[in-house]
Formats: sequence, structure tokens, C-alpha cells
Amino acid sequence: EAGVVQSPRYKIIEKKQPVAFWCNPISGHNTLYWYRQNLGQGPELLIRYENEEAVDDSQLPKDRFSAERLKGVDSTLKIQPAELGDSAVYLCASSPHSSGQTYNEQFFGPGTRLTVL
Amino acid sequence: AQKITQTQPGMFVQEKEAVTLDCTYDTSDPSYGLFWYKQPSSGEMIFLIYQGSYDQQNATEGRYSLNFQKARKSANLVISASQLGDSAMYFCAMREGPDTGRRALTFGSGTRLQVQP
Repeated sequence: EAGVVQSPRYKIIEKKQPVAFWCNPISGHNTLYWYRQNLGQGPELLIRYENEEAVDDSQLPKDRFSAERLKGVDSTLKIQPAELGDSAVYLCASSPHSSGQTYNEQFFGPGTRLTVL
Repeated sequence: AQKITQTQPGMFVQEKEAVTLDCTYDTSDPSYGLFWYKQPSSGEMIFLIYQGSYDQQNATEGRYSLNFQKARKSANLVISASQLGDSAMYFCAMREGPDTGRRALTFGSGTRLQVQP
């Protein structure tokens, strides 16, 4: 079974430029999460999708960040314009439907490391 | 208040010895789940072990066991017979809500484990 796929793996941009990250979750996983991991810290949630609906985006800085999950499969996270403080690793995770599961493990992708200069 | 606290920024252990990584949590939700993830230098988050708040027995997965003390709100990870490949960052995380829920995880700040030959 293929894991969560993310691209690009690395991105270097100058401040004020736009950037986009792409995530393809594990096939059949209805729930998709975007986390941001700052250097030396644990991941923090940006947004959670149930199918194509964003059900928790309270931590997403909506003035510059946007996300979409068309057709409830792939997802794109965008930053426009990027700031120096946005340098971090952006992790995508997915989780299967709860039916038949004892608990819902989250499967993480390899992340996109963003550097804003 | 921090929901997940990992008080050990770094730990050293000799190869083949056991090591305990500490984690305390804070929640008022009677239903919750506790997770441990390993993050090698390559960046991916690898799921290790899960403990539900209603589980009567401590979770075990191969060389990993979770020392769950509910009254003390602690969920320490024990790695037995450490191997060089265990060197990585280890994150404790909590999901509030029932086992079948899909809320996002709240992570601690992590512990960097170094296994010495």
C-alpha cells in the first residue's frame, strides 16, 4: 500500500512570494490533516478535512494561508505571500474511516521543508 | 497549560539497554488516546504505539511498551534493548475524544534519543 505522498520535498523562496504544497493521502482515507512543524518542536495542526469539507481550520492563518481538497482526495496548501516566519516543515497526514477501527492512527507523509529567505 | 509535556529534550542510552521517555498530559475529556511517534533525521513520522484512556492494560508493540498511569496523567514510552537505529526524535501526542474520533493530534516538543555503541 502506498503511503502519503507530498511534493515538493524541499522549497526555497524569497519572502512575499507565493508557494503551494501538494498532498495525496492513502487511498480510501477520508480524513486529511495539514500540520506545520517548526524547528525543534512538535507538529501543530493547520487544518483538517473530512472528505472535501474543512471541519477544523481554527489554527490556519487565513490572511495568507489557504487550502483545498477537491473531490475529497488530493489537497493543496498555499501561502501567499510567504513570510520569514513561515519557514518550517509542512506535514500532511491521513486517517481511515472509523468504521471497524479500534482507533484512528494518522499516517504521515515525508513533509515539505520550506525555507523563506 | 501545555496539553502534552515532554521534559527531556535529550537522552542518551547505551546499546542493548532499556530507556524510558517521559510524557505527561492534561485533558478534562474522559475519552482520549495517547500516541508515540518516532521521527528519524529523514523527517517522516513513524507511528509506534497507542494507548486508549479506557484500556485496562498497558500497550505493548515489540520492543516498545507504554507505561500508562492514568491518575498521574503520564504515558511514558519504554524502549527495551535499544538499537543504534532507535536514535531519533520521539514525540508523544494526544487525541481528545473517543477512539473512533478523527480529531487532530496535539504533540509534545519531543525528546531526542541517542543510542551509543
